[in-house]
Amino acid sequence: EIVLTQSPTTMTASPGEKVTITCRASSSVSYMHWYQQKPGASPKPWIYETSKLASGVPDRFSGSGSGTSYSLTINNMEAEDAATYYCQQWNYPYTFGAGTKLELK
Amino acid sequence: EVQLVESGGGLVQPGRSLKLSCVASGFTFSNYGMNWIRQAPGKGLEWVAYISSGSSYIYYAETVKGRFTISRDNAKNTLYLQMTSLRSEDTALYYCARRGTTTGFDYWGQGVMVTVSS
Repeated sequence: EIVLTQSPTTMTASPGEKVTITCRASSSVSYMHWYQQKPGASPKPWIYETSKLASGVPDRFSGSGSGTSYSLTINNMEAEDAATYYCQQWNYPYTFGAGTKLELK
Repeated sequence: EVQLVESGGGLVQPGRSLKLSCVASGFTFSNYGMNWIRQAPGKGLEWVAYISSGSSYIYYAETVKGRFTISRDNAKNTLYLQMTSLRSEDTALYYCARRGTTTGFDYWGQGVMVTVSS
């Protein structure tokens, strides 16, 4: 099983700040997916195949990485971006990172 | 509009069984692999099981293998999860999610709560 380690676990960011969340895999994976979840809501697909934005995702978000190291970046943090973000790899058994809770400062 | 609606959750005693359902609409259900994913209260996401479009391929997380059975009825556009020998650690919100071709889990239901407690 591939273990995904996200960092940081929690973080706060001010409006306009640049945010980077990292996801490290215990073995090499072909690509990474990311999901956004807000309290009381189902997760939403956010970034797929490492760098492609899901429908409706603002272009201040971006994704990058390869092998065992991936990241999600927000340029110019906005209030609506406060949420928990999960990375997920596409080899069986599918696994998720533990999540990064991003709060607004 | 794609919709996934789960049902069948509730409070169940340890060791007992429960069957979840997920009714799909807004897309050709028989063309897509489907998954169950769960989230314990205040915790992260855990993939539980996958079934391919024609039920030929089925995979489980080690934590549920031998206790849970995923199945589907394409004529009824419905996904199922039969859960047996339930444990307290199975307490979670269970989501039904569609597997996109390369897009990850591209649609999720609203989730159904399963509580295992005496």
